[in-house]
Amino acid sequence: EAAVTQSPRNKVTVTGGNVTLSCRQTNSHNYMYWYRQDTGHGLRLIHYSYGAGNLQIGDVPDGYKATRTTQEDFFLLLELASPSQTSLYFCASSDWVGGYPEQFFGPGTRLTVL
Amino acid sequence: QQQVRQSPQSLTVWEGETAILNCSYEDSTFNYFPWYQQFPGEGPALLISIRSVSDKKEDGRFTIFFNKREKKLSLHITDSQPGDSATYFCAARTSSGQKLVFGQGTILKVYL
Repeated sequence: EAAVTQSPRNKVTVTGGNVTLSCRQTNSHNYMYWYRQDTGHGLRLIHYSYGAGNLQIGDVPDGYKATRTTQEDFFLLLELASPSQTSLYFCASSDWVGGYPEQFFGPGTRLTVL
Repeated sequence: QQQVRQSPQSLTVWEGETAILNCSYEDSTFNYFPWYQQFPGEGPALLISIRSVSDKKEDGRFTIFFNKREKKLSLHITDSQPGDSATYFCAARTSSGQKLVFGQGTILKVYL
């Protein structure tokens, strides 16, 4: 029944490694988002998309790529991971009912870059 | 640059007390302010929200007070319960954007 799922839930990689985080939503929402959560910074938007094939740059995009392959699936790519990208990553989806969005979040992926 | 700021960073109250969480913002075009609640090991979930045309929004024990002139809002949790222990995020949306800007969060602990 969970409407936003993420995989893997935990990931450890080394500096320079290649990482892909996956997100799937079954809400039939148009918008999907990738955030990172760090103590003292809250949630910061990395990239977002309003449909398959679309990508919008967020507020902290450096070092990240993203791709929306279908309405349901949104991927975050770290091609040369660095220790500064150690963080808790959340995916979210939303629709714009009456012009005001409610974002539904997944359970998160904890990424550690050694 | 933090466009949405929250205080305090952490707050401890006793069961039954009122917890007050504060939020301020800089961008006068922000027109929608949701508060999200996050429990350990979970993603945030929408708790309550307010639009800038209102100065108060109530939902059970949770109330948002909004002061547009001062660009401040607060979340009041009355009769606090241990189950309210969580991190609370204030967020804001611009009138032209399709994204939210989040504050850094307030960690609330409610003791018996």
